[in-house]
Amino acid sequence: GIQVEQSPPDLILQEGANSTLRCNFSDSVNNLQWFHQNPWGQLINLFYIPSGTKQNGRLSATTVATERYSLLYISSSQTTDSGVYFCAVTPMYSGGGADGLTFGKGTHLIIQP
Amino acid sequence: DVKVTQSSRYLVKRTGEKVFLECVQDMDHENMFWYRQDPGLGLRLIYFSYDVKMKEKGDIPEGYSVSREKKERFSLILESASTNQTSMYLCASSPRVAGGDPNHSGTQYFGPGTRLTVL
Repeated sequence: GIQVEQSPPDLILQEGANSTLRCNFSDSVNNLQWFHQNPWGQLINLFYIPSGTKQNGRLSATTVATERYSLLYISSSQTTDSGVYFCAVTPMYSGGGADGLTFGKGTHLIIQP
Repeated sequence: DVKVTQSSRYLVKRTGEKVFLECVQDMDHENMFWYRQDPGLGLRLIYFSYDVKMKEKGDIPEGYSVSREKKERFSLILESASTNQTSMYLCASSPRVAGGDPNHSGTQYFGPGTRLTVL
């Protein structure tokens, strides 16, 4: 099946810093989502971005589908940004959203005050 | 806003018990999913359903079954709970690609999760 690799696995930053999280995937995809998992375990949707660039406040994401990677940018980090960030994909051959997501192992982000 | 709810946040059961985990979504989504999350193993797909009374096995279906009698509700059943089924269980829903908003077709929305402990 499709492989999803996220880097770095852990990241510790000071409040106010910027960060870039990377997601590499091994095959063509028709769904790519970024999530933030909060301390209570809830997966919060950040972006649905199988290709292109999107921005939402301090967060933005870019997916280069032809090169099979996606980047999540967090600017001016706040302590509330701490948590685990997951990239998840559905491979192109699956036919669409009826198939489950394959998740990367996540990036554990800690923002220190 | 899409809302996916799960019947319990925390659940403690005994080995051998039959366990039902319920998931309800309020957005008329065709597709529903059950995942489990374990340290070191990440999130893995157990079962999914693309229509009422339809189900498909995911990556780790052994020891589980599912039921989808109504469009908004998807149940995960542990017929005889075992300690290796102690985990965080997450439910999700998504619209069918052809009938959904082209900008969001396939987007999966997750519930808050159920932390199940089997003693």
